[in-house]
Amino acid sequence: RKEVEQDPGPFNVPEGATVAFNCTYSNSASQSFFWYRQDCRKEPKLLMSVYSSGNEDGRFTAQLNRASQYISLLIRDSKLSDSATYLCVVSPMTTDSWGKLQFGAGTQVVVTP
Amino acid sequence: DADVTQTPRNRITKTGKRIMLECSQTKGHDRMYWYRQDPGLGLRLIYYSFDVKDINKGEISDGYSVSRQAQAKFSLSLESAIPNQTALYFCATSDVRGQVNYNEQFFGPGTRLTVL
Repeated sequence: RKEVEQDPGPFNVPEGATVAFNCTYSNSASQSFFWYRQDCRKEPKLLMSVYSSGNEDGRFTAQLNRASQYISLLIRDSKLSDSATYLCVVSPMTTDSWGKLQFGAGTQVVVTP
Repeated sequence: DADVTQTPRNRITKTGKRIMLECSQTKGHDRMYWYRQDPGLGLRLIYYSFDVKDINKGEISDGYSVSRQAQAKFSLSLESAIPNQTALYFCATSDVRGQVNYNEQFFGPGTRLTVL
């Protein structure tokens, strides 16, 4: 079983619509959670961290559910420029994993005109 | 801004050849990482280094070696390349000092390696 699992998509979203997707993680000791964005054949870049209380950054909202071990990302008022692959990233805080990140394979979002 | 650079950006090589991928950073970060990315598998950690004298194996280190020549440089070597090492390779850096998101990693542009 993968440590971090995501629906690969693609999620085809009309411009202006809302899209949401989840990721599940298997290590209950995980302490830090992130969403990274990766454009085609480019490097991943941090989109936002995910805090226990949930957090929002403009049109993006991230939620964490520790009990069910999943995090979610919601994009409101989708723009064409939101088309990308969104990587769910988890950082377990065990002694031998300090400072390392575990990446999901990504969820592809395609925003259409 | 090219804070993390990788060379070469693309490389085609033959089975059995030795190849080195280089990574340089101007961010002043102590921590550096090498990942490979394959379709459907996400990024997997090959090696990481928390400072110049520190080298650690990641989850898929077999067939690879690294050298941390300086704080700013971290190179990855394939001693005898094989076709299943064909992948997109990323170098990344991070710093634990003075950052809210202390686990944020900053990635280089990647090296696309093809082993024939």
